[in-house]
Amino acid sequence: KAGVTQTPRYLIKTRGQQVTLSCSPISGHRSVSWYQQTPGQGLQFLFEYFSETQRNKGNFPGRFSGRQFSNSRSEMNVSTLELGDSALYLCASSLSGLPNYEQYFGPGTRLTVT
Amino acid sequence: DQQVKQNSPSLSVQEGRISILNCDYTNSMFDYFLWYKKYPAEGPTFLISISSIKDKNEDGRFTVFLNKSAKHLSLHIVPSQPGDSAVYFCAASALSGSARQLTFGSGTQLTVLP
Repeated sequence: KAGVTQTPRYLIKTRGQQVTLSCSPISGHRSVSWYQQTPGQGLQFLFEYFSETQRNKGNFPGRFSGRQFSNSRSEMNVSTLELGDSALYLCASSLSGLPNYEQYFGPGTRLTVT
Repeated sequence: DQQVKQNSPSLSVQEGRISILNCDYTNSMFDYFLWYKKYPAEGPTFLISISSIKDKNEDGRFTVFLNKSAKHLSLHIVPSQPGDSAVYFCAASALSGSARQLTFGSGTQLTVLP
């Protein structure tokens, strides 16, 4: 069974630009969550999608948005990039997200904002 | 406001000895706890979990202990192996309506010395 895939793996953008990251979950998984990892901060929850609907959202500004398609693939968009957005962005998929919640993570997209 | 804290950013242990990683939480609504392991350039990998109705869960060399009254959990690895060297994240989950999200600690870098 193929794991969670994320594209691209590395990205360099300039302040003020926007970026779209993609995540393909494990086949059959309907829940996709996104996280931001920065040094010393651990993983910060961005949002979760289930059946094309945003089911949960973390404390990030509106510049961060996402969506999920009917095949469960998900995209995350960050507009008006800031230097502080430089981070590893991880997506994780699970069957349903409830309960006995075990997620499977992708390798992440390393975003550098200059 | 960090609801899940891993106060030790790093830990070094000799091969064959026990590794004990600690995690504290503040939210009494958390009812499910997980440990993830992360190698460089890879996404976190689920390791072991425990429900709040239990105080111990064991899986091979890995045991997680939960002390609800102290809001503390720990991961024991016995015996430790060099391949266990990685960053370990604890995470906690609470149900909110129909949604769940994981709150992660900032991670502990474990180094197992040969």
